[in-house]
Amino acid sequence: EVRLVESGGGLVQPGRSLRISCVASGFTFSDHYMDWVRQAPGKGLEWVGRIRNRANSYTTEYAASVKGRFTISRDDSENSLYLHMNSLQTEDTAFYYCARYSGSTRRSMDVWGKGTTVTVSS
Amino acid sequence: DIQMTQSPSSLSASVGDRVTITCRASQSISTYLNWYQQRPGTAPKLLIYTASNLQSEVPSRFSGSGSGTDFTLTIISLQPEDFATYYCQQSYSSPRTFGQGTKVEIK
Repeated sequence: EVRLVESGGGLVQPGRSLRISCVASGFTFSDHYMDWVRQAPGKGLEWVGRIRNRANSYTTEYAASVKGRFTISRDDSENSLYLHMNSLQTEDTAFYYCARYSGSTRRSMDVWGKGTTVTVSS
Repeated sequence: DIQMTQSPSSLSASVGDRVTITCRASQSISTYLNWYQQRPGTAPKLLIYTASNLQSEVPSRFSGSGSGTDFTLTIISLQPEDFATYYCQQSYSSPRTFGQGTKVEIK
């Protein structure tokens, strides 16, 4: 079964850091680009960023709202994806999903995890 | 950045109705447009990729069309499990923006 499982969310104070994780199973993780998408309470979906695969030098791209504060990384040996979040702000409070990107002809996020909650509050 | 605008923001419909949701991009995105369904309390689910291709295991009552800047998601014969929020998303360029969502509610 193809699966993504996020973990590591929680309550964090403004200005602090947090790392959330996503573990993949049931497919060749190393072949795929991976995305993070978030959803603030009662709001719509916001794309956070992407990391490409080894063949594409693990390059990353980010939404303007998180660029310079968030870093996406991966460990293909552990089938794991990470989102390192620094200088957290209250507006970063959201449900964070990892998603598998299926490129070439599909260019879509075809597998999603159930998500993890990040709450930024003092 | 490419802005994605969906209409309507919400709609009420009955089981068996035909529903159409539109999505407009602020510039041409060819057919690099995806549709996702999100039921309350669950993760989004891919329905349609590259404007008109049905994701595997998605019922054939869902269809997508369009190219350039104007796109449509159609649900023929709405079923109880289709009451959800639908999002379009462009995969043409970064940032990979979503529309604001269309909530389909029971009339």
